Amino acid sequence: DQQVKQNSPSLSVQEGRISILNCDYTNSMFDYFLWYKKYPAEGPTFLISISSIKDKNEDGRFTVFLNKSAKHLSLHIVPSQPGDSAVYFCAASGQGGSEKLVFGKGTKLTVNP
Amino acid sequence: DADVTQTPRNRITKTGKRIMLECSQTKGHDRMYWYRQDPGLGLRLIYYSFDVKDINKGEISDGYSVSRQAQAKFSLSLESAIPNQTALYFCATSHWTGANYGYTFGSGTRLTVV
Repeated sequence: DQQVKQNSPSLSVQEGRISILNCDYTNSMFDYFLWYKKYPAEGPTFLISISSIKDKNEDGRFTVFLNKSAKHLSLHIVPSQPGDSAVYFCAASGQGGSEKLVFGKGTKLTVNP
Repeated sequence: DADVTQTPRNRITKTGKRIMLECSQTKGHDRMYWYRQDPGLGLRLIYYSFDVKDINKGEISDGYSVSRQAQAKFSLSLESAIPNQTALYFCATSHWTGANYGYTFGSGTRLTVV
């Protein structure tokens, strides 16, 4: 049973526009959420996180929104740049983030110049 | 030097062979993990260790074993490799600080079983 779902395998946007990547989770015990970015031939790297006590966290061009009632989070990238082209993984953890992470299947973002 | 180093980076092996993938870290983290990535399946946890004396199975541990030789070293073994173990393998580390919890990943080992 997949506890973290990224239903869009791929997303294509134009440079300068907004990219919105979505993630749903089923485990109500999850209370800490992260986004990772992965380039080919490299390991995933941490991008941004959010605790369940918040509904928004912002870091530069990246903003993560959390809707606990819908068990849904999203990553907004504004403005999108060609260098943002990568696979983005959503991840979740319980116990305030102390438990191991559960990852989604990833969404491949392509930002076209 | 990388914080999390995986060796080898690439490996081709034959069905039935035993193979070991190694991971070492310089971050001083107590927790270490092994994941595999397959196209369309994301990152799936194989084994994890929260300290040197703690080893736990992940969601896909069958056919794999691990050894935590020291805080800095965590190796993954395939006792008898089979073709469906062809994948990209990642080691990761973490340290629970009570905030900003996250993993540091190695660059991966691409394993092909023929």
